[in-house]
Amino acid sequence: DAGVTQSPTHLIKTRGQQVTLRCSPISGHKSVSWYQQVLGQGLQFIFQYYEKEERGRGNFPDRFSARQFPNYSSELNVNALLLGDSALYLCASSLDSGVGNTIYFGEGSWLTVV
Amino acid sequence: AQKITQTQPGMFVQEKEAVTLDCTYDTSDPSYGLFWYKQPSSGEMIFLIYQGSYDQQNATEGRYSLNFQKARKSANLVISASQLGDSAMYFCAMIHDFGNEKLTFGTGTRLTIIP
Repeated sequence: DAGVTQSPTHLIKTRGQQVTLRCSPISGHKSVSWYQQVLGQGLQFIFQYYEKEERGRGNFPDRFSARQFPNYSSELNVNALLLGDSALYLCASSLDSGVGNTIYFGEGSWLTVV
Repeated sequence: AQKITQTQPGMFVQEKEAVTLDCTYDTSDPSYGLFWYKQPSSGEMIFLIYQGSYDQQNATEGRYSLNFQKARKSANLVISASQLGDSAMYFCAMIHDFGNEKLTFGTGTRLTIIP
């Protein structure tokens, strides 16, 4: 069975541009979360969606937005890119939401803003 | 506030030896879960093991086991018979039943296995 898949794997954007990152959860998984990992640092929670509804939002500016589609796939959008947005963006999925559910991550999307 | 502390920035271990990676956590909530993930240089986060706060027994997954000491609020990862492929960053993370699935991560431990 396919794991969590993310696209694109690597991308380079210019300051001020917009980017869309995509995530397909493991088949049957209803919860999708997004995390940002700046080089050499830990992961920071951005969003969680469950059954197409936003369940949680981390401490990120409104330039960051996300949505979940009826097939449970998800997109993360970042507008007006800044150099500091350069990071690894990881998507995670789980069957359900909350304690007791194993959370699996994808391979990530490496975003470089120049 | 929920917090995960990993006090070992880096560790060097001889191949085939066992290794313990430390993780302590801080929470006042009785319901929580603890994860360990492995992150190779490629960036993917690989799930290793999970322990629920109400689980009576320590979790085990192959060569991985979790030494869960609830009173001490520690959840150390034990890797038996280490292999060269175990060289990676290891993250401890915690989840709560707060209506969302936010994972709080530690700063990680870089493990290097020496042949």
